Amino acid sequence: GAVVSQHPSRVICKSGTSVKIECRSLDFQATTMFWYRQFPKKSLMLMATSNEGSKATYEQGVEKDKFLINHASLTLSTLTVTSAHPEDSSFYICSAANRQATSYEQYFGPGTRLTVT
Amino acid sequence: AQKVTQAQTEISVVEKEDVTLDCVYETRDTTYYLFWYKQPPSGELVFLIRRNSFDEQNEISGRYSWNFQKSTSSFNFTITASQVVDSAVYFCALSEAYNTDKLIFGTGTRLQVFP
Repeated sequence: GAVVSQHPSRVICKSGTSVKIECRSLDFQATTMFWYRQFPKKSLMLMATSNEGSKATYEQGVEKDKFLINHASLTLSTLTVTSAHPEDSSFYICSAANRQATSYEQYFGPGTRLTVT
Repeated sequence: AQKVTQAQTEISVVEKEDVTLDCVYETRDTTYYLFWYKQPPSGELVFLIRRNSFDEQNEISGRYSWNFQKSTSSFNFTITASQVVDSAVYFCALSEAYNTDKLIFGTGTRLQVFP
């Protein structure tokens, strides 16, 4: 399957600071990227969908000013958690898909564990 | 409303046992897709299968098999002769035809296979 990477894999930041997480599709062009959040021992919740070159579509209840998403190229999307607070601590997972491909599949990255102290 | 229920939170088995993970879904759509993903301790989700709602044939892939029963809205996953490497959290997910982007995940079943 296709390879999606995330960087960093783990990050610890202080309350009030911002942190950026990168999601890259390494061997295919991702027309669409998705950002999920997973709490410990819980399911994945879709936060937003981003299409290359356009604004992200956020799910209900997700603050767009808090979680800034940029999808500037076909291989890179970034999620910036602004003014992070301890309740933002979570496992963030991205996935990427190519809508133009015959097999429309989402390929998941390895996740980024964010801890806000 | 769409919903995926995985009633089994945790299952423990001994190696070589067979184990079935249950998945029940709810949707109003007549066309939809069902998925199973594996999440090992490393965290990365590994795609296992996608099945569309018109294909009720059961599928077998090595030690894995899937039983899709539309009549009971279930899409159960069986691992035959389990191995320690099968230990992971397994997620069942649903997407609807009008919005194939959105995956609705169940809460996952943690499988522990002991030697």
